[in-house]
Amino acid sequence: ETGVTQTPRHLVMGMTNKKSLKCEQHLGHNAMYWYKQSAKKPLELMFVYSLEERVENNSVPSRFSPECPNSSHLFLHLHTLQPEDSALYLCASSQAWGFKSNEQFFGPGTRLTVL
Amino acid sequence: AQTVTQSQPEMSVQEAETVTLSCTYDTSENNYYLFWYKQPPSRQMILVIRQEAYKQQNATENRFSVNFQKAAKSFSLKISDSQLGDTAMYFCAFVTNTGNQFYFGTGTSLTVIP
Repeated sequence: ETGVTQTPRHLVMGMTNKKSLKCEQHLGHNAMYWYKQSAKKPLELMFVYSLEERVENNSVPSRFSPECPNSSHLFLHLHTLQPEDSALYLCASSQAWGFKSNEQFFGPGTRLTVL
Repeated sequence: AQTVTQSQPEMSVQEAETVTLSCTYDTSENNYYLFWYKQPPSRQMILVIRQEAYKQQNATENRFSVNFQKAAKSFSLKISDSQLGDTAMYFCAFVTNTGNQFYFGTGTSLTVIP
């Protein structure tokens, strides 16, 4: 395993529900990331936190709300999602942000289905 | 624009044979890292191999090696003596020294046939 865990592994929700995805890393890393993985598309970077500060927000709809309470934990709060938001959501961490880290460690992902 | 192109959505190889996965990328930067990540079915994505752009020597990791052609912006992955456990999605990616975002391709689904 990579040292990055995600819960839940599977989530089915209606468009009016509120749910949260959780990510935890046990590697002592300073940067954490949320990606969206859809079939036949490149991984889409959603958010980056470095030292608990959000440093990237790639035009993600406001129905996705990240939270990083400390350097080991990252949440993605979901609210009034759309069916097209169904995807695999991956969390990753790295020693530092971007080029300086030169490697990201990924969690197993949460398979999200929006009905 | 920073992009990664993997032109082979699916590939298959016989067990013990050699297979090459292609990747091209586009960046105006001169210094960057290139990666191949492996995502087995229902399992976590892991790093297979890494190449620093300023190093001319191709990286190798056991059965995995790359053919890095900087001028052509090409970064192919060769898997020798393919094993059943190599069945996975393979993603090519890079990060530049002036940006902080990793750029990924669409992936190649590799199936190793017994």
